Amino acid sequence: DGGITQSPKYLFRKEGQNVTLSCEQNLNHDAMYWYRQDPGQGLRLIYYSQIVNDFQKGDIAEGYSVSREKKESFPLTVTSAQKNPTAFYLCASSADRGLTDTQYFGPGTRLTVL
Amino acid sequence: DAKTTQPTSMDCAEGRAANLPCNHSTISGNEYVYWYRQIHSQGPQYIIHGLKNNETNEMASLIITEDRKSSTLILPHATLRDTAVYYCIVRVGGYGQNFVFGPGTRLSVLP
Repeated sequence: DGGITQSPKYLFRKEGQNVTLSCEQNLNHDAMYWYRQDPGQGLRLIYYSQIVNDFQKGDIAEGYSVSREKKESFPLTVTSAQKNPTAFYLCASSADRGLTDTQYFGPGTRLTVL
Repeated sequence: DAKTTQPTSMDCAEGRAANLPCNHSTISGNEYVYWYRQIHSQGPQYIIHGLKNNETNEMASLIITEDRKSSTLILPHATLRDTAVYYCIVRVGGYGQNFVFGPGTRLSVLP
């Protein structure tokens, strides 16, 4: 955690609704990431952003959208086009350290589609 | 990024050292070894990383073999709070690179 906040912790949504997950960091990191985790599995990258007003698709971007209007904030919208949105969503950030960087994760948001 | 292989689960007695192995036989020269852990329903926590030298910090030690094809994470005095899933990740160094988390090793520290 340490400087990365995600809200809400639990989120319930009806099928067909869009929902936005919040991620804020006060670490002054340039890069931010969104991952998805399904039960018993590792993390999969959805989107990432290395700088304000720029972001790139990860491995599973379909059905998701992001924005990066401020350095501190990287909200993720789960759209109705995402076929199986129930999962644990994790936000992370990192700073440029030259040859290597370390990603720091938030506490996560557990999304359940009813 | 190179693939890693870890045991599915391990047990360790409280107060003893926990040694978690990781195989990464196809690692490239510019790929770092990272370790994270995840306690149930929380975000992953960074532990340590290294390139080819052994590393130590306040949480753990990382031992990388000379040929870099495997590594071991050592928690010197495991406590019940160290019970978690531990992920070994190899990835190219550099800013903004993706972390690929596999299933990891579930470590249970037993009283």
